[in-house]
Amino acid sequence: DAKTTQPPSMDCAEGRAANLPCNHSTISGNEYVYWYRQIHSQGPQYIIHGLKNNETNEMASLIITEDRKSSTLILPHATLRDTAVYYCIVRAPYSGAGSYQLTFGKGTKLSVIP
Amino acid sequence: DTGVSQDPRHKITKRGQNVTFRCDPISEHNRLYWYRQTLGQGPEFLTYFQNEAQLEKSRLLSDRFSAERPKGSFSTLEIQRTEQGDSAMYLCASSPSGDRGLLVGLFFGEGSRLTVL
Repeated sequence: DAKTTQPPSMDCAEGRAANLPCNHSTISGNEYVYWYRQIHSQGPQYIIHGLKNNETNEMASLIITEDRKSSTLILPHATLRDTAVYYCIVRAPYSGAGSYQLTFGKGTKLSVIP
Repeated sequence: DTGVSQDPRHKITKRGQNVTFRCDPISEHNRLYWYRQTLGQGPEFLTYFQNEAQLEKSRLLSDRFSAERPKGSFSTLEIQRTEQGDSAMYLCASSPSGDRGLLVGLFFGEGSRLTVL
């Protein structure tokens, strides 16, 4: 699976959009981009994933560049409860005996400030 | 609650003792994973089951660690002769198989925090 690079930390004012970048310049054509977050003392929580097209769900939007070498997770109206570590993960789809296991980096610690 | 549950949530033990953690996955998920997370790091993959078969083990899983999923439902992770370096959060996750597993990702439990004195 391709490696990802994320800033170690970011701040965002409450109510503003939080834009979390991720670089995955070695991504392969069949690899998906996943985002998870981990609130303090809890297990990671799935947010969103995408392959080529931009995606949106009730939690966030995912913008993937045309060359797929980077992406941005957008939390449109950040709240204090969005303070967490956000992980960007790149992974190929299941094939053969593949396990679906995810390789986590250190992520970005997002602090939402009142 | 129909999520992934782990027990105990916290365990404090003395070096050299054995500890066991239990994970109950989401009932319809046939894939189960164990991860370990130390302070300031992301979760690290330990092992994976599909039903009762243990199909993948990380090199992090030393011979003091053993995981089982005897009936393809709940799983246990045992650590024998614990060392201070085993202090970590042990996370369990589950997912459905096939394309749906790819689409929905992994569902994690709250974790079991181990402190070895």
